[in-house]
This record gives sequence, C-alpha cells and structure tokens, in this order.
Amino acid sequence: GQNIDQPTEMTATEGAIVQINCTYQTSGFNGLFWYQQHAGEAPTFLSYNVLDGLEEKGRFSSFLSRSKGYSYLLLKELQMKDSASYLCAIVDSNYQLIWGAGTKLIIKP
Amino acid sequence: GAVVSQHPSWVICKSGTSVKIECRSLDFQATTMFWYRQFPKQSLMLMATSNEGSKATYEQGVEKDKFLINHASLTLSTLTVTSAHPEDSSFYICSARGPFSSYEQYFGPGTRLTVT
Repeated sequence: GQNIDQPTEMTATEGAIVQINCTYQTSGFNGLFWYQQHAGEAPTFLSYNVLDGLEEKGRFSSFLSRSKGYSYLLLKELQMKDSASYLCAIVDSNYQLIWGAGTKLIIKP
Repeated sequence: GAVVSQHPSWVICKSGTSVKIECRSLDFQATTMFWYRQFPKQSLMLMATSNEGSKATYEQGVEKDKFLINHASLTLSTLTVTSAHPEDSSFYICSARGPFSSYEQYFGPGTRLTVT
C-alpha cells in the first residue's frame, strides 16, 4: 500500500528553526514535493526533490533520502507568517501525486 | 507563468440545487486537471483526474453522477455538484498539470462551498 507520514502539529518560536519530517512508502518514486497551505487557501509550491541530498532555497531547505524513504523540510528564522500547514507529496510510478495529511505549524512570538 | 484560476471563490446554495465550479489555466494549456476536496483540518483528497476531450477518471468512492466533470478545452475544466447536500460543503480545489513537467501541479485558489 501507499503511506505517507507527517506529524500532525508542531509548535515553534519566532526566529527559531523547525524541521518537519515526512516518511513514505509508495509504489514507485518520481520525486517529492513540499507545499505550504495557509488556512482557507490553496497549496503553494515550496520545493521538489528527486535526488538524495539537501536543496536550499532562502529560509527553506528540503532534504531527501530515497533509501530511507525520508524527507524533511527545514525552516529557518521563523516568521509569524510561516504559520501554516505543510504538505508532503510523493510522485508515484504513475506520476500521480500522493498526499500526506499535512503538518500544522504554529509559530509563537 | 502557470496561473490557475477558479470561479467562484465561494458559493452558498440550498440543498437539492446544483453548483458549477470553473477551473481555468490562464497562461498555459492544461491537458490534465485535477479536482480535490478538502474538509477542515484534513489533507487534500483527490476526487478525479480530468483529461481534455475524454471522460474523467474518478477515485474510488467518488460518485461520478453526483460530481460531474467536463474538460471541454485545454484551458477549462468544470466540476458540477449535482443535488447538493450539506455534507457536500467543503473546500474544492482544482489543479493543472504544469507545462514544464509531467508531474508538477499548479493549484487554483479554491472554492468554498456551503450547502444550507
């Protein structure tokens, strides 16, 4: 079967660093996306990883280990506007997106 | 580039009526569009995959006669919720497969449907 696991909720402090993990077991793998979704809005693209390693983009970085079925999203210098849900999604063997349930990130002053 | 719009952004309708939601790719042609539903505090649930010029492919458990999908052109897909009931109240989001890759999806802003 297909399974993607993310923590349901995380809390962090403004200015700090937080790491959101995603583990997966899917039929085939053609990459992993991270999306950000604010309440009541559609998801917006953050990152895409298909090879092992760390991809850095400003305050956000995403890491992938295909052998471990594991990824994380690292957010640095947290700002209040980073309060949102973060969705991990896998591109399976049919090039369909399989979505995780999302991690709600709460930023406190 | 790769902008997707949805209309309306929110709609309130009475139980038993039908509601049509439009999804448009504004600056690219989208042969494939996706329709999702999202209940509060839950993740996206794929309802169906819409391919231009052919019948939509529905996910298991989604009633195709209730959720009518028409992908009549390369820039427009519509979702019609027929005989809506309060349990159909949800956030409906469409996405389009991007012009630059076979897997990236660009999302519309979503439509909030409330059935009274």
